[in-house]
Amino acid sequence: DSGVTQTPKHLITATGQRVTLRCSPRSGDLSVYWYQQSLDQGLQFLIQYYNGEERAKGNILERFSAQQFPDLHSELNLSSLELGDSALYFCASSPGRNTGELFFGEGSRLTVL
Amino acid sequence: AQKITQTQPGMFVQEKEAVTLDCTYDTSDPSYGLFWYKQPSSGEMIFLIYQGSYDQQNATEGRYSLNFQKARKSANLVISASQLGDSAMYFCAMRALSGGYNKLIFGAGTRLAVHP
Repeated sequence: DSGVTQTPKHLITATGQRVTLRCSPRSGDLSVYWYQQSLDQGLQFLIQYYNGEERAKGNILERFSAQQFPDLHSELNLSSLELGDSALYFCASSPGRNTGELFFGEGSRLTVL
Repeated sequence: AQKITQTQPGMFVQEKEAVTLDCTYDTSDPSYGLFWYKQPSSGEMIFLIYQGSYDQQNATEGRYSLNFQKARKSANLVISASQLGDSAMYFCAMRALSGGYNKLIFGAGTRLAVHP
């Protein structure tokens, strides 16, 4: 158990819909990262937050947004869903901004029908 | 630009034998970190081992060791005495520790199958 909690574990929805994925980092970790893992794209970095502020942005679509709240939990919002958004979405946390390994949650598997 | 390359889509090994999973990287940052993660069929990402670019010795963690060759920009994972439970996807990853980079970038992964 990495200490990172993601909900929901599985989610099935239809095209055009909007979903929110939630992540609670390990106790004391200030950085939260979101990654997307799809079959044809591998693990793609989406976005990072550190202590509530956005720190780095990767290949995140405009239809996607994220935020980190004062209690350090984070949410990833996916809207106008398309079939290609079906993937495993990982949240990871680390203590600092730039150092140390990332501890991953078990992922949220999103299926868009 | 930073890049991680894993050229082996799949590897097979006999139980109890050693196996090397290849990883090469490219970065212009002088300070960086290299990681290996394991992803079993259940899907979770498990941290295995870390090597810093300034570390003088190769990292080891139990049956895992990282063969770090800085001049060749390679960071191969060596698993000794393979076990059936080692069957999984293995990802090499890199983080630059300077230049404002905060993200960990991953290679495409290598699927390891351990046979009895």
